[in-house]
Amino acid sequence: DAKTTQPTSMDCAEGRAANLPCNHSTISGNEYVYWYRQIHSQGPQYIIHGLKNNETNEMASLIITEDRKSSTLILPHATLRDTAVYYCIVRVAWEGGSQGNLIFGKGTKLSVKP
Amino acid sequence: DGGITQSPKYLFRKEGQNVTLSCEQNLNHDAMYWYRQDPGQGLRLIYYSQIVNDFQKGDIAEGYSVSREKKESFPLTVTSAQKNPTAFYLCASRGPGDIQYFGAGTRLSVL
Repeated sequence: DAKTTQPTSMDCAEGRAANLPCNHSTISGNEYVYWYRQIHSQGPQYIIHGLKNNETNEMASLIITEDRKSSTLILPHATLRDTAVYYCIVRVAWEGGSQGNLIFGKGTKLSVKP
Repeated sequence: DGGITQSPKYLFRKEGQNVTLSCEQNLNHDAMYWYRQDPGQGLRLIYYSQIVNDFQKGDIAEGYSVSREKKESFPLTVTSAQKNPTAFYLCASRGPGDIQYFGAGTRLSVL
């Protein structure tokens, strides 16, 4: 799996958009970008994933640059409940033969403030 | 509600005791995982199962055991051989799109 780099921490005002960057300059053509988050003392939660096109769901949007070397997770209207550690993971979709486990880096600690 | 159910939420282990953490899923997923998380750290893989009646050791399996007799259930036993069991234990299943779904976790402490 390609290595990712994320800022250690970020602040965001409640109600504003939170833009979380992730660098993955060594990503290969068949690797997806996944985002998970972990609220304190809870299990990680899947947010969104994509290969090369931008993606949007009810939780967030994922913007992947054309060269795929970086991406941004956007929470359009952050709330206090979005305070969590956000993990960007780059991996080949599991096709069998490997363990398939997730490897989380340090992530970005997002603090949403009133 | 569909998802992963872990119990108990908190568990205390006495010296020399085996304890079992429950993980149940109603997502009809074949693959299930057990991870361990220590404070401020990432997830480390203990055991995984790709299908019923089959399971494999992960990176830190020593002192742990599992079974997978039913698709829905993947219990983890922390044996007395695990000398440092205090941690947050997470169970997950893998669904379509290689998305993993996690339970709420069990926090294990030693008395």
